[in-house]
Amino acid sequence: GESVGLHLPTLSVQEGDNSIINCAYSNSASDYFIWYKQESGKGPQFIIDIRSNMDKRQGQRVTVLLNKTVKHLSLQIAATQPGDSAVYFCAETLQGGKLIFGQGTELSVKP
Amino acid sequence: GAVVSQHPSWVICKSGTSVKIECRSLDFQATTMFWYRQFPKQSLMLMATSNEGSKATYEQGVEKDKFLINHASLTLSTLTVTSAHPEDSSFYICSASIAGLSSYEQYFGPGTRLTVT
Repeated sequence: GESVGLHLPTLSVQEGDNSIINCAYSNSASDYFIWYKQESGKGPQFIIDIRSNMDKRQGQRVTVLLNKTVKHLSLQIAATQPGDSAVYFCAETLQGGKLIFGQGTELSVKP
Repeated sequence: GAVVSQHPSWVICKSGTSVKIECRSLDFQATTMFWYRQFPKQSLMLMATSNEGSKATYEQGVEKDKFLINHASLTLSTLTVTSAHPEDSSFYICSASIAGLSSYEQYFGPGTRLTVT
């Protein structure tokens, strides 16, 4: 299930299940969005990106959906594995290349 | 390709001292580098944008005299935390954009854990 912790929402899933992580962004002028994975004590790692002229993009085991009407992004991870356990951040890009990160969701995969 | 390194990976310093963190693009030239700060269980917050050869642009609420940024070459940017205090303890992360390409693509370093005692 999904719950909100003191600062970071958490999502706990069973290994092999699909995971869906949601994100709301703030700026309707943003035209490029990225999902990052961050493991403990490490920098963010690029997962997948999407431009505002698209509403869906697929990668290997991951799919990003963009709903500009409600300013919402989601990341779907198929067949979630223990190695997927990490914090996931969405980010929107503003003019000048500045990235604004979302709150983040901690994904915990139970074997 | 597109590897960014940071040094040191962690540092402990005493309150009142200054600490310098280096961010290097190892296999590409970076026109623009960005510095972020991340507190435990929180998101990354952009501190400043650094362009090679010019003054950094700081985000609102970030003290430019406390967080000195130098981007002297296309492969190196430094962040100096001056007169550090315990509340400056955080995870500092840099990123770099490849010169000549869209600045939308940023490559992140592994971060530097700063602890001020």
